[in-house]
Amino acid sequence: DADVTQTPRNRITKTGKRIMLECSQTKGHDRMYWYRQDPGLGLRLIYYSFDVKDINKGEISDGYSVSRQAQAKFSLSLESAIPNQTALYFCATSDPGPGSNEQFFGPGTRLTVL
Amino acid sequence: AQSVAQPEDQVNVAEGNPLTVKCTYSVSGNPYLFWYVQYPNRGLQFLLKYITGDNLVKGSYGFEAEFNKSQTSFHLKKPSALVSDSALYFCAVRDRGSTLGRLYFGRGTQLTVWP
Repeated sequence: DADVTQTPRNRITKTGKRIMLECSQTKGHDRMYWYRQDPGLGLRLIYYSFDVKDINKGEISDGYSVSRQAQAKFSLSLESAIPNQTALYFCATSDPGPGSNEQFFGPGTRLTVL
Repeated sequence: AQSVAQPEDQVNVAEGNPLTVKCTYSVSGNPYLFWYVQYPNRGLQFLLKYITGDNLVKGSYGFEAEFNKSQTSFHLKKPSALVSDSALYFCAVRDRGSTLGRLYFGRGTQLTVWP
């Protein structure tokens, strides 16, 4: 089984709809992240959470919200989707222990907003 | 401010030839540096990282990277490219002194290895 899973894998929706993307992990990591990937722009951080009670905005949080329901679950919501939120969304986790703490990524959710 | 630059959007190389994917970085302190690879329709996979010590880091699938502090670079290399190495490669940096632990990614370099 995959360590970091994302649902759905693909979603097509219409402008104005509310959308939730879900991420679950079995790695036991406290830290979780949401990124979006756009061609030519790399990965940009939307939100990150260092534990269940800690939520932080990333560089492009406008139009998004998150919920950390448990250590293993971190959801991303688009309250009112717009076409420029069409992108590939990745969830990632990392270990907060000492060291360099590489991040582990889910398979991604491809979101299309019409 | 922390940032990563990957100056080449695309790198093309023949199978069996050496490959280099370039990365330069900017951090306020000392860096942790990472390379990730993304195959089509997949998430990012960790390749290797520089923490401290030997400037030449060896990673998965025969890749290696060389940390050069004076040039603030961390170029990814492989002595002999394979067609299966064709993918999108991302360099990332984290400030060693930061408690936030977040990574900053470059824009990615598309590597194409042709037979």
